[in-house]
Amino acid sequence: AQSVAQPEDQVNVAEGNPLTVKCTYSVSGNPYLFWYVQYPNRGLQFLLKYITGDNLVKGSYGFEAEFNKSQTSFHLKKPSALVSDSALYFCAATYSGTYKYIFGTGTRLKVLA
Amino acid sequence: GAVVSQHPSWVICKSGTSVKIECRSLDFQATTMFWYRQFPKQSLMLMATSNEGSKATYEQGVEKDKFLINHASLTLSTLTVTSAHPEDSSFYICSANQGPNEKLFFGSGTQLSVL
Repeated sequence: AQSVAQPEDQVNVAEGNPLTVKCTYSVSGNPYLFWYVQYPNRGLQFLLKYITGDNLVKGSYGFEAEFNKSQTSFHLKKPSALVSDSALYFCAATYSGTYKYIFGTGTRLKVLA
Repeated sequence: GAVVSQHPSWVICKSGTSVKIECRSLDFQATTMFWYRQFPKQSLMLMATSNEGSKATYEQGVEKDKFLINHASLTLSTLTVTSAHPEDSSFYICSANQGPNEKLFFGSGTQLSVL
C-alpha cells in the first residue's frame, strides 16, 4: 500500500539551531514529494517539492529537503530555526498514474526562544 | 501565484440544517479539486475528489448523501454538509492543482461547528 510516514509527532528545537523533520515514503514508481506547512486554523502552504534531478531541493523560508532514494526518505531541514517556524508540517507524495496525494500524519515543530 | 479561496472561514449551525462551503480557484482552472477533513491535532483525511462536470469520487467510509459535492465549473467546487450533526463539526479544507502531480494549492479552511 502507498504510504507516507512522519515518525515524530513533535519536534522541539532551540532557536538558531538546525532542524530536521523526518519523512519516509512508500509509493509505486518514481515519487513526486512535497512539504507543506500549516499554521493554526489555516490551510496548508506549499514549501517545496521534488520531482527529479538534484537530490537537495531548496524551498520557501530557507527550508530545504533531501531526497534519498535508497532510504526512501525526504527529510525537511533548515540550518537555523526561527520561532516563527513553529507550525505543523506535512509531507506528501504522489506518483505518475494517480491524481491522489498521500499525506503523512504531520509533525508539530516547536522552536523555543 | 495561484490562489484557492474558500468560504466561509467559519460557520456555526444548528443540528439538522445544511451548510455549503465554496472553494474557488481564482486565477487558474482546476479540473480536479480535493476535499479534506481535519480533526484537532490530526492529519488530513481525504473525503472526496471533485471532478468538473462529473460525479465526485468519494473515499471509503465517506457518505455521499451526507457530503454533497458539486463541481459545476472549472473554478468552483462546493461541499454541502446535509442535515449536519455535532459529529460533523470539524475543519474542512479544499485544494486544487494546475495539473497531475503538480503542487496543491489549499484554501484557508472552514471551521464548522454544529450545535
